[in-house]
Amino acid sequence: NAGVMQNPRHLVRRRGQEARLRCSPMKGHSHVYWYRQLPEEGLKFMVYLQKENIIDESGMPKERFSAEFPKEGPSILRIQQVVRGDSAAYFCASSRDRGNIQYFGAGTRLSVL
Amino acid sequence: DAKTTQPTSMDCAEGRAANLPCNHSTISGNEYVYWYRQIHSQGPQYIIHGLKNNETNEMASLIITEDRKSSTLILPHATLRDTAVYYCIALSNAGGTSYGKLTFGQGTILTVHP
Repeated sequence: NAGVMQNPRHLVRRRGQEARLRCSPMKGHSHVYWYRQLPEEGLKFMVYLQKENIIDESGMPKERFSAEFPKEGPSILRIQQVVRGDSAAYFCASSRDRGNIQYFGAGTRLSVL
Repeated sequence: DAKTTQPTSMDCAEGRAANLPCNHSTISGNEYVYWYRQIHSQGPQYIIHGLKNNETNEMASLIITEDRKSSTLILPHATLRDTAVYYCIALSNAGGTSYGKLTFGQGTILTVHP
């Protein structure tokens, strides 16, 4: 049973470009969570999605960031007009139900030049 | 919603048991105690969780006090590969702001040395 798959593992963008991070949950999991880890800081919750719905986006920056989890395909975290402060590791997790064990992917390291 | 407090760092000799404490004095009745660890910059790894009974799996044991205000994660025979940051987190399965949302604190940096 494959784990949570994130791609790309590393992403380099120039300031002003768009970044798209993808997350495929574990088989049988319909709940997806995104977390961000800034350099030398702890993991922070960003957003929680269930198929086609955003359940909790209390940790998402108000501008430039969006997330989706369509009926078919992976969850996407999209960052528009990236700035150097967006450089971080972005982790995705999935669970079978809300409040159950969350399993994490290996993360996407975003570097903004 | 419960906040957890953990020591900043701990050391353990290889082959010995590592006992990592966590205080969660304001935990509510529907909040489980979860333990995760993050090895270097990898994705967090689930270890174990429990509500009020002690739990054991192939990785670790979790001892929760009867009043549920604190718990201890036990790695019975620590190896060098257990060096990581260990996080104790309260997670609700039925409402509240910790419902489905992991709140990571600073965790405990466990260093296992030869």
